[in-house]
Amino acid sequence: AQKVTQAQTEISVVEKEDVTLDCVYETRDTTYYLFWYKQPPSGELVFLIRRNSFDEQNEISGRYSWNFQKSTSSFNFTITASQVVDSAVYFCALSEYGSEKLVFGKGTKLTVNP
Amino acid sequence: GAGVSQSPSNKVTEKGKDVELRCDPISGHTALYWYRQSLGQGLEFLIYFQGNSAPDKSGLPSDRFSAERTGGSVSTLTIQRTQQEDSAVYLCASSLYASGGQETQYFGPGTRLLVL
Repeated sequence: AQKVTQAQTEISVVEKEDVTLDCVYETRDTTYYLFWYKQPPSGELVFLIRRNSFDEQNEISGRYSWNFQKSTSSFNFTITASQVVDSAVYFCALSEYGSEKLVFGKGTKLTVNP
Repeated sequence: GAGVSQSPSNKVTEKGKDVELRCDPISGHTALYWYRQSLGQGLEFLIYFQGNSAPDKSGLPSDRFSAERTGGSVSTLTIQRTQQEDSAVYLCASSLYASGGQETQYFGPGTRLLVL
């Protein structure tokens, strides 16, 4: 069965610090898709990134970067030079090929203090 | 509209009453999804639609829950005889189409349901 684990429940950092959010997934499929979403205090889930299982290339988007490692079943998310506006709950999610269902981790609440 | 919209944004009801939650997907999106977010269970899949058909209803927690979609657009999630454990945020999402899990789902702001 598919499962996503985000072991860090809450993280608190000071502005400008780098922070990494961990995501470990379980699936028996060879084809699957991984996602990160951000949920700010307003409540709406905001899409950040999608990766497929055949593309292990790391990705950078501004201050955000993602490290996908199939060998450790991890898809970690790093925010460089964090800002107060990064404060939110971040969710990692998995979908298996052929299933439309997203399976979410429990989320990591990130607080960036000024 | 530009994004997924949901109504109402908040709903307070009494135990035993029926409620209807509405979702309007992004224009042109053929696939629509319902999820529930609660403190105890996190984010859970309920059901998805491709067009007006619901190929996967596996997440609906009981037969008190039902959903329909008409005209390939707006969807309604109905909860009959509400119970206190139904209190949660109900999130709707849409994607261009259902393509075996690879499409990005874009979420609405949710409906916060409180059953007293």
